[in-house]
Amino acid sequence: SQQGEEDPQALSIQEGENATMNCSYKTSINNLQWYRQNSGRGLVHLILIRSNEREKHSGRLRVTLDTSKKSSSLLITASRAADTASYFCATVLNSGYALNFGKGTSLLVTP
Amino acid sequence: EAQVTQNPRYLITVTGKKLTVTCSQNMNHEYMSWYRQDPGLGLRQIYYSMNVEVTDKGDVPEGYKVSRKEKRNFPLILESPSPNQTSLYFCASSNQGAYYGYTFGSGTRLTVV
Repeated sequence: SQQGEEDPQALSIQEGENATMNCSYKTSINNLQWYRQNSGRGLVHLILIRSNEREKHSGRLRVTLDTSKKSSSLLITASRAADTASYFCATVLNSGYALNFGKGTSLLVTP
Repeated sequence: EAQVTQNPRYLITVTGKKLTVTCSQNMNHEYMSWYRQDPGLGLRQIYYSMNVEVTDKGDVPEGYKVSRKEKRNFPLILESPSPNQTSLYFCASSNQGAYYGYTFGSGTRLTVV
């Protein structure tokens, strides 16, 4: 099934810096969601952006969506060590009910 | 607390021995789903259910069964587990399918030897 693809696969930054992760997908979507997963644990829903939206904010998170380029980005501002985790984008097609996950970006934030 | 509860968290079993992983949610969600997560392959949907007695296959349903007799419960059944089903399994629930965010369980790490 169609999947999002995150870029980069791994990202290492220092506390206080901003982290940007990108997601590209292949076909038209209903919405795109970002999730965080701490090592070996369940996924936590961060933010959802619908196909008719271009930007959304939630706390230190900013998500953009460019449907013409079929891409999205997740920006975490002023990162903290606690932000260390894997981040996944997941797309939802207009015709479907499934979350189609990418393989994730592994973020390491060092003090 | 709103949550999805999976049991067990860890399970080691032998090939061919039937097992059930339970999943229960307390949010009155209509939609429930099972995913497996494997290194290099990401998360893939196994089965989903849009409501009681309504289930359908996801991307990788072979070797698995599900049932949805009650709204809150969505067990995953492996009738004859094989080593290629060794994986990390997640149950998730949502209102109105994937048009809102999902709540995930903490995961079940299954090893089949």
